[in-house]
Amino acid sequence: AQSVTQLGSHVSVSEGALVLLRCNYSSSVPPYLFWYVQYPNQGLQLLLKYTTGATLVKGINGFEAEFKKSETSFHLTKPSAHMSDAAEYFCAVIGIQGAQKLVFGQGTRLTINP
Amino acid sequence: SQTIHQWPATLVQPVGSPLSLECTVEGTSNPNLYWYRQAAGRGLQLLFYSVGIGQISSEVPQNLSASRPQDRQFILSSKKLLLSDSGFYLCAWSGMDTNYGYTFGSGTRLTVV
Repeated sequence: AQSVTQLGSHVSVSEGALVLLRCNYSSSVPPYLFWYVQYPNQGLQLLLKYTTGATLVKGINGFEAEFKKSETSFHLTKPSAHMSDAAEYFCAVIGIQGAQKLVFGQGTRLTINP
Repeated sequence: SQTIHQWPATLVQPVGSPLSLECTVEGTSNPNLYWYRQAAGRGLQLLFYSVGIGQISSEVPQNLSASRPQDRQFILSSKKLLLSDSGFYLCAWSGMDTNYGYTFGSGTRLTVV
């Protein structure tokens, strides 16, 4: 079985500052990992995903995440926050064997201060 | 390319009225289909998923039902809405290999009054 924990339901950073959203996963099989972004009253949009290969994954809008198996983490970062990054972010995991459903974290709401 | 359509975008319904939300996918065949709900300030709750026509799995007991009358059509229904059914409903699809993630529709904001 898989599970995801997102540390911090709300994160607030200043415009231009580093964005760090934390995600830890639990999986009994090698995982595939995802980050989604949701703007108000919209659906979820895929930011990036890790399947196999390079553990540092680059996504859209300048975001990236690093898969660290030893730490069971997949934290999302962006070097310089922009006002347009204000949204809710969801981390998700799926096991590469058998499981058919993504398991989502509870989400982190990112606020950008001018 | 594949697209997913979900409607209506917003809906206000009285308690006790019926509900029908529709989701269709284009550009792919035999997709896995999913209905999620987001209550205010809460995460995503998987309500139903379907791996084929007429095949529906329910994740949580509730006042809602789902149907898949055609390969690329997924319907969420209720015979009598409750206040607690208010929320943001999201449809999603994936290929048979779900390891590539889901693609979400734009959502329906349902308010039961």
